[in-house]
Amino acid sequence: DAGVTQSPTHLIKTRGQHVTLRCSPISGHKSVSWYQQVLGQGPQFIFQYYEKEERGRGNFPDRFSARQFPNYSSELNVNALLLGDSALYLCASSLNHGPETQYFGPGTRLLVL
Amino acid sequence: QQQVKQSPQSLIVQKGGISIINCAYENTAFDYFPWYQQFPGKGPALLIAIRPDVSEKKEGRFTISFNKSAKQFSLHIMDSQPGDSATYFCAARRGGGADGLTFGKGTHLIIQP
Repeated sequence: DAGVTQSPTHLIKTRGQHVTLRCSPISGHKSVSWYQQVLGQGPQFIFQYYEKEERGRGNFPDRFSARQFPNYSSELNVNALLLGDSALYLCASSLNHGPETQYFGPGTRLLVL
Repeated sequence: QQQVKQSPQSLIVQKGGISIINCAYENTAFDYFPWYQQFPGKGPALLIAIRPDVSEKKEGRFTISFNKSAKQFSLHIMDSQPGDSATYFCAARRGGGADGLTFGKGTHLIIQP
């Protein structure tokens, strides 16, 4: 069975640009969460989506948005990129909403110049 | 505000020894406590998880000890092997799960052959 997949694997953008990151959850999983991991730190929660609805949001500015599609895949969008947005963006899927086991993808490495 | 404090930041253990990583939490609403292992360039992988109704859980060489009254939990890796060299993160999640996982800052573990 395929695990969580994310695309692209690496991305370089300049300040002020917009970026879209994509995630496909494990087959049968209905919940997707997004995390930001800055080098040397633990992942920080950005969003959780379940059944195409936002169920949780972390302490991130409105420049960050996301959505979930009918096939449960998800996109994370970041507008007006800042240098500080450089990080590994992780997607995690779980079967349902709630304190379920979360399985992480390999991440998208974003570098903002 | 760091809700999950992890120590030590780095740890060196001889092959065959016991690796011990500690975490403390503040939020008594947390009710799910997983440990993740992360290799460079990869996403975190779930190792083992515990809920506060048990004091210990063992899976192979990995054991979680949980002290609810002290609000502390720890990971023990028995018979540590060079392949265990990685960064380990403890995490916690509030009942209901809308907040996502709250991670510690990580422990960089090196197992010397």
